[in-house]
Amino acid sequence: EAQVTQNPRYLITVTGKKLTVTCSQNMNHEYMSWYRQDPGLGLRQIYYSMNVEVTDKGDVPEGYKVSRKEKRNFPLILESPSPNQTSLYFCASRAQGVGETQYFGPGTRLLVL
Amino acid sequence: GQSLEQPSEVTAVEGAIVQINCTYQTSGFYGLSWYQQHDGGAPTFLSYNALDGLEETGRFSSFLSRSDSYGYLLLQELQMKDSASYFCAVREGTGRRALTFGSGTRLQVQP
Repeated sequence: EAQVTQNPRYLITVTGKKLTVTCSQNMNHEYMSWYRQDPGLGLRQIYYSMNVEVTDKGDVPEGYKVSRKEKRNFPLILESPSPNQTSLYFCASRAQGVGETQYFGPGTRLLVL
Repeated sequence: GQSLEQPSEVTAVEGAIVQINCTYQTSGFYGLSWYQQHDGGAPTFLSYNALDGLEETGRFSSFLSRSDSYGYLLLQELQMKDSASYFCAVREGTGRRALTFGSGTRLQVQP
């Protein structure tokens, strides 16, 4: 089954404790992205990657890091989480040059205390 | 930069037709997409318009007018399961390939 998976689905942490949210897709997609969703603000892109070792900032990259060492994986790293990073996070992927169909993971709900 | 505007809430009854509008401002335009998101779920892709006109997919249609920087999603024969949030999104056509979403329209379908 074609899918995007994220782990963990729920996470409660404390300010300053580094964490990583994993994302993996099994569709051999070139493009992968991370979004955060906050009430009233819709989905905002954090980082995206056009292929292995190619990443770029989205609209709200501050406080986040990403890496793309393998095509299927695109982890999101919060080096020193702060309460304003409490949000719902989605990973997404799409194929290059095949319309705009983007597949989203199930989401990771993060609470930073 | 880019910005999109869509209504925050729309209410309709089962069997009716509803139109959700989206206006956008962008420095470079590649296309307009629509996504559906049920409460607690992930967004799912509905449709995409790169050129002017209407795209139809079953009960859902999407329209784009590039000259007016405007598009809409049309939902026909509404069903209770269509109650969800709907997001329009634009992708820049030059350089940066980021996708910018509107803040979403919450559709409530009533019996």
